[in-house]
Amino acid sequence: DAGITQSPRHKVTETGTPVTLRCHQTENHRYMYWYRQDPGHGLRLIHYSYGVKDTDKGEVSDGYSVSRSKTEDFLLTLESATSSQTSVYFCAISDIGSGTQYFGPGTRLTVL
Amino acid sequence: GQQVMQIPQYQHVQEGEDFTTYCNSSTTLSNIQWYKQRPGGHPVFLIQLVKSGEVKKQKRLTFQFGEAKKNSSLHITATQTTDVGTYFCAGEGVDNQGGKLIFGQGTELSVKP
Repeated sequence: DAGITQSPRHKVTETGTPVTLRCHQTENHRYMYWYRQDPGHGLRLIHYSYGVKDTDKGEVSDGYSVSRSKTEDFLLTLESATSSQTSVYFCAISDIGSGTQYFGPGTRLTVL
Repeated sequence: GQQVMQIPQYQHVQEGEDFTTYCNSSTTLSNIQWYKQRPGGHPVFLIQLVKSGEVKKQKRLTFQFGEAKKNSSLHITATQTTDVGTYFCAGEGVDNQGGKLIFGQGTELSVKP
């Protein structure tokens, strides 16, 4: 498996609280992605990054923000968590734009 | 926007039976990728198809990319219990930048021994 980790792996939080998920890679890949996975919806892209400080929105970006200050770290922030953001979040990396994506182990987030 | 539909959503087979999942895009794709996710795991890349009409094989798995580059299929011959998991197709649009993939909803395969 590619050198990609996510933290925390599990989190339970309350509605209205801020939450930050971290994705860390040791592969020096340029592209990084955040997805959420929900039953019946597959994987949906939230935000992605094509370089340090270069990010763009995916198909379900409302309520989420991201930052990438270093090649190896990509942070996903929920400014004010809602129950609809209960999901499993996967980070992925890729060395070229049309290449294979390698996924992290995932973070299971529950918003009560 | 671009959509990728995948059917069926679930498939239950007896070990030894064949299995096929189908993927259809609303727009022409530059390439399509297939991933497998074991229960409780993360998606793992299987293969990428780029050329119109392309067919690739990996042991008992056969992948096809349609002539119009809008559909694809994955066929497993003589399923085994190790094939259990959810199979996703993921397409990249021809005008895409940044390597964004649109994933299908996935087909969950269960295999009864």
